[in-house]
Amino acid sequence: SQQGEEDPQALSIQEGENATMNCSYKTSINNLQWYRQNSGRGLVHLILIRSNEREKHSGRLRVTLDTSKKSSSLLITASRAADTASYFCATGFNTDKLIFGTGTRLQVFP
Amino acid sequence: GAGVSQSPSNKVTEKGKDVELRCDPISGHTALYWYRQSLGQGLEFLIYFQGNSAPDKSGLPSDRFSAERTGGSVSTLTIQRTQQEDSAVYLCASSLRTGVVYFGPGTRLTVL
Repeated sequence: SQQGEEDPQALSIQEGENATMNCSYKTSINNLQWYRQNSGRGLVHLILIRSNEREKHSGRLRVTLDTSKKSSSLLITASRAADTASYFCATGFNTDKLIFGTGTRLQVFP
Repeated sequence: GAGVSQSPSNKVTEKGKDVELRCDPISGHTALYWYRQSLGQGLEFLIYFQGNSAPDKSGLPSDRFSAERTGGSVSTLTIQRTQQEDSAVYLCASSLRTGVVYFGPGTRLTVL
């Protein structure tokens, strides 16, 4: 079964707006990662946050992690049409397999 | 350097046939993963190899599915007696012991 669940399942916004996606997970982790997938093929890593970190930035991306609530959020600021994709969170513990959430489909309209 | 590669990129087969999907991970990566993704769905974990440890096969959906990793490098996912519900994109990924996972482009399997 899936470890994580993203919320919302789908999100539509206009270019320039911010997009926020949330991820909840069930078990202990030592890192959480966000990935992007275009056109149903390979995933691209966006950002990794470790369990002892609360917030991390990378360009227009901001990730937060709340281990007490077992949740994470991904914020994309000043969105662009090229950000249109599916976004997945994935959780891992030490050398364990990564388990992916169900994904959020983001549509950014020009 | 080269990323994760998978072959074939597309495979069309008839119900009941066996198929083999190949994955070449990034050189030096000890961990290798197979996932399956049906149209519009999330990633379903299938199997995980880490170094010389016994693989985690807990995600394999039936005994028709098997995978091996030879010499700690190339991996082959085999599906025997394919069924229509096996149609999906099969994604391989690799990583160092911990950290970022790098995905291949996937093999799109269509079972007629």
